[in-house]
Amino acid sequence: GAVVSQHPSWVICKSGTSVKIECRSLDFQATTMFWYRQFPKQSLMLMATSNEGSKATYEQGVEKDKFLINHASLTLSTLTVTSAHPEDSSFYICSARGGTGVSNSYEQYFGPGTRLTVT
Amino acid sequence: AQSVTQLDSHVSVSEGTPVLLRCNYSSSYSPSLFWYVQHPNKGLQLLLKYTSAATLVKGINGFEAEFKKSETSFHLTKPSAHMSDAAEYFCVVLDRGSTLGRLYFGRGTQLTVWP
Repeated sequence: GAVVSQHPSWVICKSGTSVKIECRSLDFQATTMFWYRQFPKQSLMLMATSNEGSKATYEQGVEKDKFLINHASLTLSTLTVTSAHPEDSSFYICSARGGTGVSNSYEQYFGPGTRLTVT
Repeated sequence: AQSVTQLDSHVSVSEGTPVLLRCNYSSSYSPSLFWYVQHPNKGLQLLLKYTSAATLVKGINGFEAEFKKSETSFHLTKPSAHMSDAAEYFCVVLDRGSTLGRLYFGRGTQLTVWP
């Protein structure tokens, strides 16, 4: 149980276009979802935290207008990278913290990640 | 405040020898601590977690970690390394003071296993 999926697993886009990444909790309802960014050979950096039905909380230094997060339901959150540029190329990982359907409500379950390459 | 320090960025061992990945933490609360493993271009897999129960925690794939409050440490060990253990390992602390349940990650330790 407690499976989180991400789609797509990898994407290549041209500079200036927008890309949407989906994060889904498949067998539980996630009260909170987190979005992380990981550069090569570095740790995960928290970008934002979102609760279903409310605005995301962004970490300092993360542009809200560039990284749009929508937590539309208890099983789906999306991250849209708007007007992407090569420096946005990275590995994006989501996680979900449960409510209904998991034994530990505080534990985060991670998605497999999405590799974004902007050319 | 919560933070995690992984003392080694790289650890190299020979197959069949013990593994030790070191982690020290700082937490304003009784901590919840985790070790995750990440293989190249993959997401994170939970190895084990400490949540204030037994101080010696056993995880998957033969890994275990011991919570030592006096040393504020949570080192990860395995008696005998396998080639498949080569990966990046992250020590993580949960911010119990946050209603959002934020995690704080260490910088990671790259484990190399030589044949």
